[in-house]
Amino acid sequence: GENVEQHPSTLSVQEGDSAVIKCTYSDSASNYFPWYKQELGKGPQLIIDIRSNVGEKKDQRIAVTLNKTAKHFSLHITETQPEDSAVYFCAASDNAGGTSYGKLTFGQGTILTVHP
Amino acid sequence: DAGVTQSPTHLIKTRGQQVTLRCSPKSGHDTVSWYQQALGQGPQFIFQYYEEEERQRGNFPDRFSGHQFPNYSSELNVNALLLGDSALYLCASSRDSFGEETQYFGPGTRLLVL
Repeated sequence: GENVEQHPSTLSVQEGDSAVIKCTYSDSASNYFPWYKQELGKGPQLIIDIRSNVGEKKDQRIAVTLNKTAKHFSLHITETQPEDSAVYFCAASDNAGGTSYGKLTFGQGTILTVHP
Repeated sequence: DAGVTQSPTHLIKTRGQQVTLRCSPKSGHDTVSWYQQALGQGPQFIFQYYEEEERQRGNFPDRFSGHQFPNYSSELNVNALLLGDSALYLCASSRDSFGEETQYFGPGTRLLVL
């Protein structure tokens, strides 16, 4: 089955700096890669996603890049703010038999701390 | 538009007991997936329900079972609770339509087994 590795496990930056979180996946059949932000005591909230037919996607201060050949994808947050502090998870979708059932395999998470 | 809702928010049980958790999907969604999130870890897929059938299952024992109702809401049942079942249980809903795989999560139910 799919295996997703996420690095780093913790990341500390100053307000205004950029933050980068990287993930690798093992199953070449995976074709959907969402990123979630989870605040304390809450469920994961989707912040951006990318499909395998796209190499890069941007939404304001957040961008995701995908390298299908190397099987890795990254989250980039620019101009970080204290409210960006949270746990971030990458995930990959397991395509069962070619149909998109949407089973998500998650990375271990990155605790991002943005210092004012 | 109400998002994914889950009940209860917190639950305390003792070993050997049984528990039922509930989930109502986002409006317009027909697929419900359940995940278990242990402290400090990423969510792990338990199973997914579509058209009232279990469509896909992760590496969880048969003590974990579920149900989906005609209105797309879902229940997760865990029998013979173990201490290791203590976790945040997350429900996610989506539409069964290619290109619309996005899963939206509820706030979760925190289960503590003593």
